[in-house]
Amino acid sequence: AQTVTQSQPEMSVQEAETVTLSCTYDTSESDYYLFWYKQPPSRQMILVIRQEAYKQQNATENRFSVNFQKAAKSFSLKISDSQLGDAAMYFCALSADGLTFGKGTHLIIQP
Amino acid sequence: EPEVTQTPSHQVTQMGQEVILRCVPISNHLYFYWYRQILGQKVEFLVSFYNNEISEKSEIFDDQFSVERPDGSNFTLKIRSTKLEDSAMYFCASSESLAGTDTQYFGPGTRLTVL
Repeated sequence: AQTVTQSQPEMSVQEAETVTLSCTYDTSESDYYLFWYKQPPSRQMILVIRQEAYKQQNATENRFSVNFQKAAKSFSLKISDSQLGDAAMYFCALSADGLTFGKGTHLIIQP
Repeated sequence: EPEVTQTPSHQVTQMGQEVILRCVPISNHLYFYWYRQILGQKVEFLVSFYNNEISEKSEIFDDQFSVERPDGSNFTLKIRSTKLEDSAMYFCASSESLAGTDTQYFGPGTRLTVL
């Protein structure tokens, strides 16, 4: 069985600062994909970034980047220059057929 | 930009009634999924669907649930004899190719309230 663990139920950061959200996972698969999804108060699930496990290079999308450590089974999300619109629940997810999600981290942006 | 749509946005039903939640996946996508999120909890996989049949389902997806692609555009989740604990957000998602290798795009969700 696959598991995804997010150990930070809540994180707070000042606007314009940088924050890192942690995620660890476990899988017996050798090839898999990892995702970060954002869920604002509207509760829509929005893809933030994805990483293919076979790629060593960390994925980046504008202000969002990941630190993927395959041996440690760690997949953290870094948000640079935090903006008020970044406030949301952030879910780490691991692919199989269906996605396995972590419990989420509630990110608060302090103005 | 193409998107997954879901109707209704909010469904209220009495315990024991049947509900059908509807989804229109992105048009060129071949894989379809349903997820559930009980308030305050994580998103849980229910079922995946490809080529008009279930490809995988979780232990949550018991005989109370069924899925169908009744036409070329809609993808439905039917919940028979609803229970109070079925109250949750239900998300539909779709992907262009095999789930493990492609991104799943989520709809806005249907909030199901069972009274």
